[in-house]
Amino acid sequence: DTGVSQDPRHKITKRGQNVTFRCDPISEHNRLYWYRQTLGQGPEFLTYFQNEAQLEKSRLLSDRFSAERPKGSFSTLEIQRTEQGDSAMYLCASSWVQDSEAFFGQGTRLTVV
Amino acid sequence: GNSVTQMEGPVTLSEEAFLTINCTYTATGYPSLFWYVQYPGEGLQLLLKATKADDKGSNKGFEATYRKETTSFHLEKGSVQVSDSAVYFCALSTGDDKIIFGKGTRLHILP
Repeated sequence: DTGVSQDPRHKITKRGQNVTFRCDPISEHNRLYWYRQTLGQGPEFLTYFQNEAQLEKSRLLSDRFSAERPKGSFSTLEIQRTEQGDSAMYLCASSWVQDSEAFFGQGTRLTVV
Repeated sequence: GNSVTQMEGPVTLSEEAFLTINCTYTATGYPSLFWYVQYPGEGLQLLLKATKADDKGSNKGFEATYRKETTSFHLEKGSVQVSDSAVYFCALSTGDDKIIFGKGTRLHILP
């Protein structure tokens, strides 16, 4: 296992388009997180799953954002009708629920033009 | 709600200087505490952690002690190197909750 992987690493899209990101966690981890990070800021929590169940969504997450984790394995984060304010680094992390240490992927950098 | 406050950067030091980056937290219950590091062009990685009061986390010469009485988890290193230049994030988790991060402190080490 090579750790948490995210795809794509970079995405440039036009305002109003939909984008989807994928995260493959460490295989034995049952918890998966999505964060957003903008320049000079710490990661902001967006949502997290335990197995396939989405346990919490941040108030930051508008209804244009949706995340899924079918079968409790990989996860997707979709942003509909992208806006320039969505430009950020989107980070995925995974962990064991019994151990709150999280392992992060390299992130997907989204630029909305 | 739970939160983390860490000293603002950037922090600039000469090589071999002593480093302290302050971190305090607010949490219900008994959180686990972490320091994550982000080197230029790389993803976040765990530097050290402590899961209960008075625990000391350590790694790569860095240390931090979980102080419940002062709700602090300050990061220290006795002699920094140029390769320590990075952004450092203090974070907490209450186990069943998400991980909350501070805003990060950028560290520059001059040769």
